[in-house]
Amino acid sequence: EVQLQQSGAELGKPGTSVKLSCKVSGYNIRNTYMHWVNQRPGKGLEWIGRIDPANGNTIYAEKFKSKATLTADTSSNTAYMQLSQLKSDDTAIYFCAMGVNWFAYWGQGTLVTVSS
Amino acid sequence: ETVMTQSPTSMSTSIGERVTLNCKASQSVGINVDWYQQTPGQSPKLLIYGASNRHTGVPDRFTGSGFGRDFTLTISNMEAEDLAVYYCLQYGSIPYTFGAGTKLELK
Repeated sequence: EVQLQQSGAELGKPGTSVKLSCKVSGYNIRNTYMHWVNQRPGKGLEWIGRIDPANGNTIYAEKFKSKATLTADTSSNTAYMQLSQLKSDDTAIYFCAMGVNWFAYWGQGTLVTVSS
Repeated sequence: ETVMTQSPTSMSTSIGERVTLNCKASQSVGINVDWYQQTPGQSPKLLIYGASNRHTGVPDRFTGSGFGRDFTLTISNMEAEDLAVYYCLQYGSIPYTFGAGTKLELK
């Protein structure tokens, strides 16, 4: 059974960074892409970007190019996303999702709250 | 970027009703559209991929169709467990983009 287990909720101060993790079990992440999607409170879904864990290649939505950094560790089958220079409007649930085109598997989400 | 416009924004439905949700792309995306279902407090779930392919385990009352710019998700016989927000996603061009969602509510 494929499972994506995300790290716990984060409380970050404005201007700081947080690093979220997404550990995959039941499938080798070298054979797929790992995507990150956010959902601001009461809002819809927004694609942040994806990483090809086999070679580290990344693609980001324009608005997240200076906000998010995606990495992956194939030895631990884990994907990571670092969010930098946190602002209040970065407060959201962040999901990891797995798949080349469609996202058949999703993590449970990590709530990031930005507050001083 | 490709803008995905979903309609309606919300819909009041009845159990047993046939429901049609729409998604229109600002440019052609071929068949590169998925549909996801999200219930409160849960992660989205894949229903349809490649415009018309039902994901494993998805009931056959869910049907996707469309090509190019216009896409439809049909629920043939609404059940209570289908009350949710539905999102379309295009992956025909980078960045991938979601529609704003359609919320299904009970009348």
